[in-house]
Amino acid sequence: QVQVVESGGGVVQPGGSLRLSCAASGFTFNSSAMHWVRQAPGKGLEWVASIRYDETNKYYADSVKGRFTISRDNSKNTLYLQMNSLRHEDTAVYYCVGGSFDPWGQGTLVTVSS
Amino acid sequence: DVVMTQSPLSLPVTLGQPASISCRSSQRLVHSDGNTYLIWFHQRPGQSPRRLIYKVSNRDSGVPDRFSGSGSGTDFTLNISRVEAEDVGVYYCMQGTHWPPTFGQGTKVEIK
Repeated sequence: QVQVVESGGGVVQPGGSLRLSCAASGFTFNSSAMHWVRQAPGKGLEWVASIRYDETNKYYADSVKGRFTISRDNSKNTLYLQMNSLRHEDTAVYYCVGGSFDPWGQGTLVTVSS
Repeated sequence: DVVMTQSPLSLPVTLGQPASISCRSSQRLVHSDGNTYLIWFHQRPGQSPRRLIYKVSNRDSGVPDRFSGSGSGTDFTLNISRVEAEDVGVYYCMQGTHWPPTFGQGTKVEIK
């Protein structure tokens, strides 16, 4: 069964850090690009970051550049998103998404609040 | 960035009737490799998005054939031939031709 499962969300104060993880199964993770997409409460979808299958290229939305880092461990079939200097506007459900924007995980909620 | 504009943003539909959603891009979506990377997603209430159609008109596995995608250049359409109750939710288009990927605002489909 092709799936991705996120974890690591929670409540964090402004300026704080959080690391999201995404465990992939059912497809060839080490040959797939991967993405993070977020959705603020009641809002639409926003692409956050992408990474090539071999980590040679990483891409970020302007809104998170310099604060978020996408990485992966192909030996563990796991994708990560290190989020630093978090802001109120980063509050959202964060989705891990496969290379061709399929599959999507169930999402993990990140709340930035004092 | 490529701007994706969907219309309408709200679509009340009658069960069994057709529905159509438009998605327009600010740039042509033909990639240099000849493909057009236009995707449609469906997000049911309380669920994560699900890919329905990729490269304009290719239905994903398990997607009912009442869903169809069409279009070219900058104008694309998602059609539902006969709306069923399970089709409610928000539909998003997304382009993956130009970096960064960008989404439409979403179209909320509800039953009248």
